[in-house]
Amino acid sequence: DSGVTQTPKHLITATGQRVTLRCSPRSGDLSVYWYQQSLDQGLQFLIQYYNGEERAKGNILERFSAQQFPDLHSELNLSSLELGDSALYFCASSVVPVWGLGTGANVLTFGAGSRLTVL
Amino acid sequence: ELKVEQNPLFLSMQEGKNYTIYCNYSTTSDRLYWYRQDPGKSLESLFVLLSNGAVKQEGRLMASLDTKARLSTLHITAAVHDLSATYFCAVEGGTYKYIFGTGTRLKVLA
Repeated sequence: DSGVTQTPKHLITATGQRVTLRCSPRSGDLSVYWYQQSLDQGLQFLIQYYNGEERAKGNILERFSAQQFPDLHSELNLSSLELGDSALYFCASSVVPVWGLGTGANVLTFGAGSRLTVL
Repeated sequence: ELKVEQNPLFLSMQEGKNYTIYCNYSTTSDRLYWYRQDPGKSLESLFVLLSNGAVKQEGRLMASLDTKARLSTLHITAAVHDLSATYFCAVEGGTYKYIFGTGTRLKVLA
């Protein structure tokens, strides 16, 4: 158990629907990252939060949104789902908040992932 | 935009052989990471490389970083079946982005 909890583990839904994926970071970690892993796209960076604030945005579609709550858990909302959204969605957390400051390593701890299947 | 590329994408090798996985990135960064992903599992951290010339070793794996060439290598010595997995490098770019490479799927054959 990595300490990062993702729910649900598996989700099957239909095109056009909306789902919410949830992530609880490891205790003490303030940063949360979301990634999408599909067979032909590798691990795509979606978005990063630090202590409730959005810090970086990657290739996240407009149909997708996320937030980090005061208790530091994060949710990724996927709407108007398409077949191509089927993927494994990973959440990761880390304690180092800011790139470029200090010399500390920023090792990500990953959750087990949420596998989304859109039919 | 930060891009991170790995090669090869797929690697099938015999037990006992040596090989190197390459990771190139497109922008200045002094922080590079290697992760391992077993089939159907999540990613786990392998190495952290924080400066030019850094070298880290763990068992049959050795990682190095050349920030001037924007290149990291993961060298496998005398491969064994247990090393079969997908290996990712990752780079922290500007504005907090943490970008993973394309991954190298390694299969070690007995």
